[in-house]
Amino acid sequence: RKEVEQDPGPFNVPEGATVAFNCTYSNSASQSFFWYRQDCRKEPKLLMSVYSSGNEDGRFTAQLNRASQYISLLIRDSKLSDSATYLCVVNTNAGKSTFGDGTTLTVKP
Amino acid sequence: DAGITQSPRHKVTETGTPVTLRCHQTENHRYMYWYRQDPGHGLRLIHYSYGVKDTDKGEVSDGYSVSRSKTEDFLLTLESATSSQTSVYFCAIKERDNEQFFGPGTRLTVL
Repeated sequence: RKEVEQDPGPFNVPEGATVAFNCTYSNSASQSFFWYRQDCRKEPKLLMSVYSSGNEDGRFTAQLNRASQYISLLIRDSKLSDSATYLCVVNTNAGKSTFGDGTTLTVKP
Repeated sequence: DAGITQSPRHKVTETGTPVTLRCHQTENHRYMYWYRQDPGHGLRLIHYSYGVKDTDKGEVSDGYSVSRSKTEDFLLTLESATSSQTSVYFCAIKERDNEQFFGPGTRLTVL
């Protein structure tokens, strides 16, 4: 079993839809959590950190559920430009980072 | 923009040849990382550095070595490239809140 697991998708949604991704992790000592966005043939770019209290940045909302050991990313009012692969990253307090394999989102007109 | 550059951006080489990839950063970050990214495996850590001359292995370090003689440069060397090392290689730095920022990547093909 992988330490960090994501549904690979693809998720194909129409413009304006709301879409949610989950990412589960196995190490209960994990301390910090992030979502990254990666466009085709580009480097991953930090989308947002995930805080215990949850956080929101415009159309994007990230949540952490420590009891069930998962993080989520919600995208509201999807845009064509949101099409990308979304990676979750889980860090332990020793500084080790583990990446999920990514979830692919395609937003269609 | 975390001021990270990688060189070369693309390279094609033959099996058995040595290859060195360079990562350069301009913002004096202490931690630097080398990852490879392959379909079905996501990003996997090869080696990382926590200061000048301080390096450690990641989960897929076999066949790779690194050096960091200056804060700004972190070099990844494939001593004798193999076809299984065909991949996209990303360098990253870490900021205070454990956020990592990546360079643009190097596409390496080993024939």
